[in-house]
Amino acid sequence: IAGITQAPTSQILAAGRRMTLRCTQDMRHNAMYWYRQDLGLGLRLIHYSNTAGTTGKGEVPDGYSVSRANTDDFPLTLASAVPSQTSVYFCASSDSGLEHNTGELFFGEGSRLTVL
Amino acid sequence: GQNIDQPTEMTATEGAIVQINCTYQTSGFNGLFWYQQHAAEAPTFLSYNVLDGLEEKGRFSSFLSRSKGYSYLLLKELQMKDSASYLCASMDSNYQLIWGAGTKLIIKP
Repeated sequence: IAGITQAPTSQILAAGRRMTLRCTQDMRHNAMYWYRQDLGLGLRLIHYSNTAGTTGKGEVPDGYSVSRANTDDFPLTLASAVPSQTSVYFCASSDSGLEHNTGELFFGEGSRLTVL
Repeated sequence: GQNIDQPTEMTATEGAIVQINCTYQTSGFNGLFWYQQHAAEAPTFLSYNVLDGLEEKGRFSSFLSRSKGYSYLLLKELQMKDSASYLCASMDSNYQLIWGAGTKLIIKP
């Protein structure tokens, strides 16, 4: 069982380019999340989806968009990358929305993005 | 504002005990979580506390005091593989997780 798969694992990108980070889970979890992790800061929620067909904004949504066409996939798109979006991005899932479970998130291995 | 505080780095000796503290201020409270993250890897779930007291799970225990906005993670019989960052997170009234920056634990032989 793969769990959560993210791609690419690492990418260097020129500023102004469009980039999509892919995330796929095979656990049939309803809820999915995108976080960014920066040195000296806690994980910050970018966008989330409590169920297929719905999305919501997290703490730092500007410059990012997501879609949830089905249960398994939750891509994150940077429409026009800027250097401040250099970070490690983690996709995560949970069996249901956090209000219904104990908060256990399952994380992908991360995507390290560098914007020059 | 919402805030999670935990030490940036701690050092301990193999076989010893270490306590990692976390204080939180969030809008409402729906539980306190600890995750472990090895370098360049994904965080993995360790514990969840929503009621005051100590929860023990093998070598790891987690404590919560809601009145003090305080939690700690206690690691016993430290092993070299316990070298990792330990992330504290509080769930606020909107069921959003507010994360601390993590405590890097260095285990020395």
